[in-house]
Amino acid sequence: QKEVEQNSGPLSVPEGAIASLNCTYSDRGSQSFFWYRQYSGKSPELIMFIYSNGDKEDGRFTAQLNKASQYVSLLIRDSQPSDSATYLCAVNNWAGNMLTFGGGTRLMVKP
Amino acid sequence: DTGVSQNPRHKITKRGQNVTFRCDPISEHNRLYWYRQTLGQGPEFLTYFQNEAQLEKSRLLSDRFSAERPKGSFSTLEIQRTEQGDSAMYLCASSPSGVGEQFFGPGTRLTVL
Repeated sequence: QKEVEQNSGPLSVPEGAIASLNCTYSDRGSQSFFWYRQYSGKSPELIMFIYSNGDKEDGRFTAQLNKASQYVSLLIRDSQPSDSATYLCAVNNWAGNMLTFGGGTRLMVKP
Repeated sequence: DTGVSQNPRHKITKRGQNVTFRCDPISEHNRLYWYRQTLGQGPEFLTYFQNEAQLEKSRLLSDRFSAERPKGSFSTLEIQRTEQGDSAMYLCASSPSGVGEQFFGPGTRLTVL
């Protein structure tokens, strides 16, 4: 079992819809959780982070964390074609000395 | 530009040659990380520095790989006797704190022929 799991996709949504991206992790000692966006050929770009159970909103993005279920999600409202990218879920270990990434979910937003 | 910078951006080498990459972190960040990413996969942790001390190194990292951060500022990653399997994007990230967010540089794409 991988430490951080994501559905590889592609997840296809129409422009203006809500995109829902999910991630599960295995290490219960994990303290912080991150969502990165990565365009083809580019490096990961941080878009959201969350430390506590519940929801955290930033513009069109909402991160959700449920530590009991070891589950993190990212919602993108009013999806735009420019949101088309691979979204990487990353989990920081208890010591904070490394990120473990999932394999990423490819999102396609169709005009 | 105050972001993480990496040089070179691209490197093509022949199998068996040594290569060295450089990373300059965000100036006030004392933590620096190296990751490797192959096509279709998420980044994989290689090693971590806090200031000049290398505090963590992946067990998966071959002895051909070595990293330094001599003055707690920039870092270098050297790969000796490169193999075709070393072809990947090598990413550097920096962070101001342990559990805080990590910011990535543009990466160095290595191709081993």
